[in-house]
Amino acid sequence: GQQLNQSPQSMFIQEGEDVSMNCTSSSIFNTWLWYKQEPGEGPVLLIALYKAGELTSNGRLTAQFGITRKDSFLNISASIPSDVGIYFCAGRPNSGGSNYKLTFGKGTLLTVNP
Amino acid sequence: GAGVSQTPSNKVTEKGKYVELRCDPISGHTALYWYRQSLGQGPEFLIYFQGTGAADDSGLPNDRFFAVRPEGSVSTLKIQRTERGDSAVYLCASSLGPVQETQYFGPGTRLLVL
Repeated sequence: GQQLNQSPQSMFIQEGEDVSMNCTSSSIFNTWLWYKQEPGEGPVLLIALYKAGELTSNGRLTAQFGITRKDSFLNISASIPSDVGIYFCAGRPNSGGSNYKLTFGKGTLLTVNP
Repeated sequence: GAGVSQTPSNKVTEKGKYVELRCDPISGHTALYWYRQSLGQGPEFLIYFQGTGAADDSGLPNDRFFAVRPEGSVSTLKIQRTERGDSAVYLCASSLGPVQETQYFGPGTRLLVL
């Protein structure tokens, strides 16, 4: 099935560093979502973006919906050990018939060294 | 409050056997989704229920896979004649409605077909 291009695949950083990851798609999306998944758990929604150009923050997390509606990025500032996990981007299509169907990237594995 | 629950958390079966995976959505959520997550991949859409009916089953890989939601709440994903390639984490999610509503994921069922 279709998946988004998410990069980087993995990151190993020191506590306190900032992190940036992004997603691109060949298709236009109506909504961009960023999820975090920890071992043995399902994905948990971090940030939802609904308008092209929108910049949204949630604590140390900031995400933007690209102007072209084909990309999004997530930044994490001043990382801490509990930020460890896999971060997924997900897009919701614009087509009215299937705008419930999420397409996910392959994830970015984040490791934070204390 | 209670989130989405899934049972069993782990299932080991032999090739050719039949398995059932159960999902208990958040109370009051009318929309329910099944996704499959293979190792190193993001979740991939399988099927979407609105109430009791399967509104979109286009993600089911073949006719060995079937899902029901007879009373509009609990859902069961059924896999017949399991194959080794069916090994994955099966995630269930629910939302208040299908459009622009946050999908809340359960912890998943880890299926291993030997």
